[in-house]
Amino acid sequence: ETGVTQSPTHLIKTRGQQVTLRCSSQSGHNTVSWYQQALGQGPQFIFQYYREEENGRGNFPPRFSGLQFPNYSSELNVNALELDDSALYLCASSLGSHRGARYEQYFGPGTRLTVT
Amino acid sequence: AQKVTQAQTEISVVEKEDVTLDCVYETRDTTYYLFWYKQPPSGELVFLIRRNSFDEQNEISGRYSWNFQKSTSSFNFTITASQVVDSAVYFCALSDFNSGTYKYIFGTGTRLKVLA
Repeated sequence: ETGVTQSPTHLIKTRGQQVTLRCSSQSGHNTVSWYQQALGQGPQFIFQYYREEENGRGNFPPRFSGLQFPNYSSELNVNALELDDSALYLCASSLGSHRGARYEQYFGPGTRLTVT
Repeated sequence: AQKVTQAQTEISVVEKEDVTLDCVYETRDTTYYLFWYKQPPSGELVFLIRRNSFDEQNEISGRYSWNFQKSTSSFNFTITASQVVDSAVYFCALSDFNSGTYKYIFGTGTRLKVLA
């Protein structure tokens, strides 16, 4: 069974740039969620995709957007990067439904994004 | 509003002591799910347990046990006979479908240090 993988591992960007982070979900999972984890904080829910549609969103601005593909892999896109976007970005996969994740989530190792 | 509170920022215990991590949650939904995750120093979040709002049966799994009480909105986690390998940050999380949208909320975490 293949776990959740994320790429890249680390990334350095300049303020104002755009970034795309990628995630491959665990085999058999149809739901992907993205989180932002600042140093010393808990993960903050960005959004969730279930069968290629966004079905949940946290308190993040529209410049945070995503996609889920037919194979259930996913991308997180962040436009107009700000210094405060520097964080660990976590992807998690799970079984799910249109009403959200009632099942446990399995997390990837994360992408460390630094915005300078 | 949804909220997960982990009032204990850091706990230090000596190996073989029992330790309880507290979690208090808030939600308006009648159907919700509660989770505990562990984040060891390596960084990857690991799922420990899931409970739904209709299942107040407490559980023991090896050295771990959980106490879910809807009357006090608490979902506490106990490690019996702690070991050095239990050292990690532990997160309590809530999932519900409030106001027509799904959200997943993590607490700020409790850092557990088990000393040899």
